[in-house]
Amino acid sequence: NAGVTQTPKFRVLKTGQSMTLLCAQDMNHEYMYWYRQDPGMGLRLIHYSVGEGTTAKGEVPDGYNVSRLKKQNFLLGLESAAPSQTSVYFCASSYPKVGPRNSGANVLTFGAGSRLTVL
Amino acid sequence: AQSVTQLGSHVSVSEGALVLLRCNYSSSVPPYLFWYVQYPNQGLQLLLKYTTGATLVKGINGFEAEFKKSETSFHLTKPSAHMSDAAEYFCAVSVGLAGGYNKLIFGAGTRLAVHP
Repeated sequence: NAGVTQTPKFRVLKTGQSMTLLCAQDMNHEYMYWYRQDPGMGLRLIHYSVGEGTTAKGEVPDGYNVSRLKKQNFLLGLESAAPSQTSVYFCASSYPKVGPRNSGANVLTFGAGSRLTVL
Repeated sequence: AQSVTQLGSHVSVSEGALVLLRCNYSSSVPPYLFWYVQYPNQGLQLLLKYTTGATLVKGINGFEAEFKKSETSFHLTKPSAHMSDAAEYFCAVSVGLAGGYNKLIFGAGTRLAVHP
């Protein structure tokens, strides 16, 4: 049971380059999320998706784009990388317990993380 | 706005000693609260959660947390630390989004060190 798989695990970019992080889950989860983790700041939500074909902005969406063309995949794109985007990125997914109004109790399953360095 | 504050970015205990990691939250509605653990170079995994009902919640690996509404706290404890408990611990509160969905707001994390 793979759970949530993120690729690549490590990447070094130069300022201005673009890249895409891929998140894949095999648990048939409806909800997917992208977080970034920075020292002393915990995890902050970048974008999220509540179903195939839908995406929404989180707390820190600037400089990122996402797509959810297939239910099992959630892509995070950086069009023009900046040093401020150096971080560890985590993808997570969850299954709504009983519809969206009870989704507060959802448990998130996290991937192992993708460490991105922008020079 | 909902938020989470974890007191102490680093906590160090001796093996066999009590572990106490502090978490306070602010929420305008009854909260759903979570503790996640992150071992080195790994993703986060759920330790325990509080939704409704019993305020003392037991989790994996001998951890437990007590929801105290009057103190807006959800502190994590373990009676006897083990070397394998060394990790970073995150407290989180579930926050409502437009359309009735929820997201997690995380605290800054507490790194637990366990020494012999």
